[in-house]
Amino acid sequence: ILNVEQSPQSLHVQEGDSTNFTCSFPSSNFYALHWYRWETAKSPEALFVMTLNGDEKKKGRISATLNTKEGYSYLYIKGSQPEDSATYLCAFKKGYSTLTFGKGTMLLVSP
Amino acid sequence: SQTIHQWPATLVQPVGSPLSLECTVEGTSNPNLYWYRQAAGRGLQLLFYSVGIGQISSEVPQNLSASRPQDRQFILSSKKLLLSDSGFYLCAWSLSNTGELFFGEGSRLTVL
Repeated sequence: ILNVEQSPQSLHVQEGDSTNFTCSFPSSNFYALHWYRWETAKSPEALFVMTLNGDEKKKGRISATLNTKEGYSYLYIKGSQPEDSATYLCAFKKGYSTLTFGKGTMLLVSP
Repeated sequence: SQTIHQWPATLVQPVGSPLSLECTVEGTSNPNLYWYRQAAGRGLQLLFYSVGIGQISSEVPQNLSASRPQDRQFILSSKKLLLSDSGFYLCAWSLSNTGELFFGEGSRLTVL
């Protein structure tokens, strides 16, 4: 059983704050790491798919880094806005297995 | 462009009744198809995936089954629902093993 841990479980910040979350995964036989954003009443949407150690990806105010050797990925949100409120999921793929999702980090951004 | 639809959106069923959730993808060919479930307080759990017509892999033994009668159609079924089958079910597709998943709108099942 693959263990994908996300922390914190939930986070409440003020508009304009920058924040970051962590995704930890087994470091052996790494294949890919995904980040998804899941807004209330919508479907999860992919933010990033990362496959190489040291990968850094950016989409607007959101960015992610990947360390496959130590088994973690960080997701950063710069200058959080209320519309960033969502659950952020990471998912890890090892070898030829399917994706294993973490439980997510629930972010609430207050105006 | 590709789209994915699943239905019904909401379902309330008694224990022991059958279940059928349907998912269709348009705008792509030979997608990988997936059924996920999110139970209360838990992460997304993969139930079934399919890489082609008639090819179904089960990740978790349970009283659910899946079928793929056509290239872009994926069906989740049960002959007799249990209380523990309650949850939020998501269908998804991808074009490759490492590609991002595209999710449907979800189906909330409550078994009473």
